Amino acid sequence: AQSVTQLGSHVSVSEGALVLLRCNYSSSVPPYLFWYVQYPNQGLQLLLKYTSAATLVKGINGFEAEFKKSETSFHLTKPSAHMSDAAEYFCAVTANYGGSQGNLIFGKGTKLSVKP
Amino acid sequence: KAGVTQTPRYLIKTRGQQVTLSCSPISGHRSVSWYQQTPGQGLQFLFEYFSETQRNKGNFPGRFSGRQFSNSRSEMNVSTLELGDSALYLCASSAGTPNTEAFFGQGTRLTVV
Repeated sequence: AQSVTQLGSHVSVSEGALVLLRCNYSSSVPPYLFWYVQYPNQGLQLLLKYTSAATLVKGINGFEAEFKKSETSFHLTKPSAHMSDAAEYFCAVTANYGGSQGNLIFGKGTKLSVKP
Repeated sequence: KAGVTQTPRYLIKTRGQQVTLSCSPISGHRSVSWYQQTPGQGLQFLFEYFSETQRNKGNFPGRFSGRQFSNSRSEMNVSTLELGDSALYLCASSAGTPNTEAFFGQGTRLTVV
């Protein structure tokens, strides 16, 4: 069965510093992986997705993630944090092979704080 | 292009009552999925409807049910509410085919007292 584990429920960085949010997956089939962001009292917004094409995926707002099969990881990074990046971030994997996003399995989430 | 609309945004119900939440997907989308978000359990998949048929179902009791209409709008119903049902309920719509993005609504915050 597919699952994702996010290491660190809270991450705090200074403005301008590197952002690194960790996600490891477990999948019995080639996974489709996603990162979503959630601002307070809002729904989820897709940041980026891995669908077995390029292993380095670029998303919105300067975020990117690298799929590493050998490490079963899909960590999210951003070179320079901005105050507006403060939010909760979720890693997700499709429950079914084929990439349909109708049934996603989410990690527990990582709250990112950005200090001025 | 209008986004995913969930109504109502906030709801307070008493234990034992039932509740119906509504989700209007993006025009042209045929898949609607529902998720429950709580601080303890995180985001959990409830069910997915595609062209009026339930395509996938999560591990929730039968008190949680849903349906989808011919215009793709979806409702979910929770009967005999329990305190633990207090959560943010999120709806997501997509075309329902592989490699198509799911768009989330802002959610309905349900509080059971």
